[in-house]
Amino acid sequence: RKEVEQDPGPFNVPEGATVAFNCTYSNSASQSFFWYRQDCRKEPKLLMSVYSSGNEDGRFTAQLNRASQYISLLIRDSKLSDSATYLCVVRGGGRRALTFGSGTRLQVQP
Amino acid sequence: EPEVTQTPSHQVTQMGQEVILRCVPISNHLYFYWYRQILGQKVEFLVSFYNNEISEKSEIFDDQFSVERPDGSNFTLKIRSTKLEDSAMYFCASSETYTSYNEQFFGPGTRLTVL
Repeated sequence: RKEVEQDPGPFNVPEGATVAFNCTYSNSASQSFFWYRQDCRKEPKLLMSVYSSGNEDGRFTAQLNRASQYISLLIRDSKLSDSATYLCVVRGGGRRALTFGSGTRLQVQP
Repeated sequence: EPEVTQTPSHQVTQMGQEVILRCVPISNHLYFYWYRQILGQKVEFLVSFYNNEISEKSEIFDDQFSVERPDGSNFTLKIRSTKLEDSAMYFCASSETYTSYNEQFFGPGTRLTVL
């Protein structure tokens, strides 16, 4: 089983749509959870950390379900500039390293 | 805004040659990392470095790889004898501390092409 599993997509949505991405992780000892964004051939950039209580940053909402080992990201009112690959990332279980999922590609269309 | 920088942006080398990839982490950061991303695949951890020594490494980071902080600003990754499968984007990252939610800031990457 992959350590961090994501639907690769692509998700093709119109501007203004709401889109949700899901991610599952296999290591129950994972302690920190993040969503990163990666544009084509660029470095990953932190979008937001994910907390157990759930958290929101503008149009972005992240949720964590530790019991199900499941993380989600909701994007409301999609913009063309949201087109990118969204990486689910976990850390912990005795490791300092970030463990990345393969990413979910989002294409927002006019 | 402070950022991680990497040089060169693209390195082309022949199989069997040694390459050194360079990174300048953010100045007050204490933890440094190398990751790689083979084209079309996920980002993979290679090694972390703290207090002038390796603190963690992955199975990928075998004897062909080494890291060094030769001075107060640079952090380097050396591949002794490159193989075709070493072709990838190599990202350097740094973080201020190692606390659970501390962000790792990534550099723009070096694209390594092994011919």
